[in-house]
Amino acid sequence: DAKTTQPPSMDCAEGRAANLPCNHSTISGNEYVYWYRQIHSQGPQYIIHGLKNNETNEMASLIITEDRKSSTLILPHATLRDTAVYYCIVRPSKAAGNKLTFGGGTRVLVKP
Amino acid sequence: GAGVSQSPSNKVTEKGKDVELRCDPISGHTALYWYRQRLGQGLEFLIYFQGNSAPDKSGLPSDRFSAERTGESVSTLTIQRTQQEDSAVYLCASSLEAYAYNEQFFGPGTRLTVL
Repeated sequence: DAKTTQPPSMDCAEGRAANLPCNHSTISGNEYVYWYRQIHSQGPQYIIHGLKNNETNEMASLIITEDRKSSTLILPHATLRDTAVYYCIVRPSKAAGNKLTFGGGTRVLVKP
Repeated sequence: GAGVSQSPSNKVTEKGKDVELRCDPISGHTALYWYRQRLGQGLEFLIYFQGNSAPDKSGLPSDRFSAERTGESVSTLTIQRTQQEDSAVYLCASSLEAYAYNEQFFGPGTRLTVL
């Protein structure tokens, strides 16, 4: 399975965009990039996923580089409730059964 | 609709005792997953079910750990002869099916403390 590398922590000002990088240089052609977040004392929450095209939903945008070796999760207008640990995950092929491998994630602190 | 529920929310047990942790997935979700999260760590995959079958048990730490699922619904994770290193939050998730690129919905977890 492709491994991911994320910065351990970052701060963001409330109301500003938060850009969370992820490196997945060993990703293979059929592996998707997923993002989840975990707010303190809660189970993880799905944010977004993508294969090669940029994706956007009501929570965030996902920008994947053309070579797919890295991606950036963008929270367009961070709020205090976005304080959480954000996990970038490379999901293996369908045959592997949607098993997710969580790394250390990025601890994001949104400050007023 | 109801999300994934887990019970108990907290469990304190003595070393050597057996514990059972329960997960009720979202209705209609055929895939169910168990993860473990030690304090300050990321999630570790334990096992997943597609229907009532468990194609991948590779994450179970030892033969003291077992899980079953019945009626393509509720699942039970059993830990026998608990050890202090089993202390963690045990998280359950479900998804529509295991072999598609769909999201997993997580429960709130069961916090297990082994004294």
